[in-house]
Amino acid sequence: GAGVSQSPRYKVAKRGQDVALRCDPISGHVSLFWYQQALGQGPEFLTYFQNEAQLDKSGLPSDRFFAERPEGSVSTLKIQRTQQEDSAVYLCASSIGTVGNTIYFGEGSWLTVV
Amino acid sequence: AQKITQTQPGMFVQEKEAVTLDCTYDTSDQSYGLFWYKQPSSGEMIFLIYQGSYDEQNATEGRYSLNFQKARKSANLVISASQLGDSAMYFCAMRPKITSGTYKYIFGTGTRLKVLA
Repeated sequence: GAGVSQSPRYKVAKRGQDVALRCDPISGHVSLFWYQQALGQGPEFLTYFQNEAQLDKSGLPSDRFFAERPEGSVSTLKIQRTQQEDSAVYLCASSIGTVGNTIYFGEGSWLTVV
Repeated sequence: AQKITQTQPGMFVQEKEAVTLDCTYDTSDQSYGLFWYKQPSSGEMIFLIYQGSYDEQNATEGRYSLNFQKARKSANLVISASQLGDSAMYFCAMRPKITSGTYKYIFGTGTRLKVLA
C-alpha cells in the first residue's frame, strides 16, 4: 500500500479483555516497529522486526504484550488481560532497510481501557 | 546512552512568520542521524526532515530546514512562512547506532505549535 495502515483506529476494551492491533507496513519494507505513545508524551519503543524475525523486544512492558510478524509483512500486537495503564496510542512504523533508515508511521491505534 | 531533549512544551507563532523549535541531543557516537516528525491531532506521525551527522550542509525540505550545530549538539527545526495547517505536535528523534545491535529510535517529549491567524 501507499502508507502504513493500522486497524482498528479506535478500540475501547474492558479491563481484562484481550486486544489485537494490526499493522500493514509499506509494501517491501523490511523493518517494522511498534511504539506506544501515552497522552502528551513522545513515542516509546516496544519492539522491532526485521522481516519475520523479532530482533528486539526490549520495550515490551510486560509478558502481557506479544507481537508477531509471521510472514514478514503484516504484524499484530496483542495485549492480554488489558489494564487501564495500557491506554495509549499504539503506533506502527516501517522502513525500507534495516537500522538507520527513515521510519514511516501509520495513523496509530487508539486504545482506551475502561 | 542516547537522549533527545525538547525544552519547549508549547509555542505560538503568527501566520506567515518563521518559528524555531529547539532540539538538543546527547550521544557518544560519531555517526548518528536526526529526524523531525509532525503529529497532527489525527495522530499520524509525519516525517519532515532528516540530518546525518556527517552531512556538511543543513538539511532543507520546502519550508522546513534544520539548523544543525554539531558542537552544541543541537538540531533545531525552522519552519518558514507558517501556515495554519502547521499547528501540531513536533517531535525530534534520533536513530540508533547502526552497529549497536539495538533498533530503538528515541524521541523527545515534543513541542506543541499553535499558528495564529
